[in-house]
Amino acid sequence: DTGVSQDPRHKITKRGQNVTFRCDPISEHNRLYWYRQTLGQGPEFLTYFQNEAQLEKSRLLSDRFSAERPKGSFSTLEIQRTEQGDSAMYLCASSTSGTVGPQPQHFGDGTRLSIL
Amino acid sequence: AQTVTQSQPEMSVQEAETVTLSCTYDTSESDYYLFWYKQPPSRQMILVIRQEAYKQQNATENRFSVNFQKAAKSFSLKISDSQLGDAAMYFCAYRSGGNEKLTFGTGTRLTIIP
Repeated sequence: DTGVSQDPRHKITKRGQNVTFRCDPISEHNRLYWYRQTLGQGPEFLTYFQNEAQLEKSRLLSDRFSAERPKGSFSTLEIQRTEQGDSAMYLCASSTSGTVGPQPQHFGDGTRLSIL
Repeated sequence: AQTVTQSQPEMSVQEAETVTLSCTYDTSESDYYLFWYKQPPSRQMILVIRQEAYKQQNATENRFSVNFQKAAKSFSLKISDSQLGDAAMYFCAYRSGGNEKLTFGTGTRLTIIP
């Protein structure tokens, strides 16, 4: 399977714990995006990388959230001191940086986070 | 800030019939792109169709077409010959020309009636 891969698919944790999610983009894609989707809503942009550089961060990404893409390949999203409001589906997407118009973002299956 | 509005939380259509999903957006920019994404239950979100704002011609992809009304800031999706596999959440999304992030609407759940 050469699609975007996210791990784990589901994560259940207690409030106050730290969690880390991983995203493996499509191999030739140099752009990687994180979105958050709560029940009944569309995805909300969190951050994006071009290669290893984090080029944009949403105000939604509080100090408790950190994302990395150290070698320009896979990315991790860490949430520290989780809160009830962090319960959501976390989606990763990747794309190339083509020169003709916006390249489509390819999404993974997401990681569903449940905070007890 | 740009906003995307989908005013139809749910829609249903008889199999083989045509259905139109509505989307409006608000922006002051002239360079932007619009997208329709499909999210089947418990499956990945996939791109259905996209439209460049500078193009007057409406985009078409097989049974999917859009009605892009730039002055009205409207971007509706028409699905012809609806099939059972079209059942999904459909999200309208906006992307500024100078920005990578997608801004999504709240989605429309489409049900296909056999």
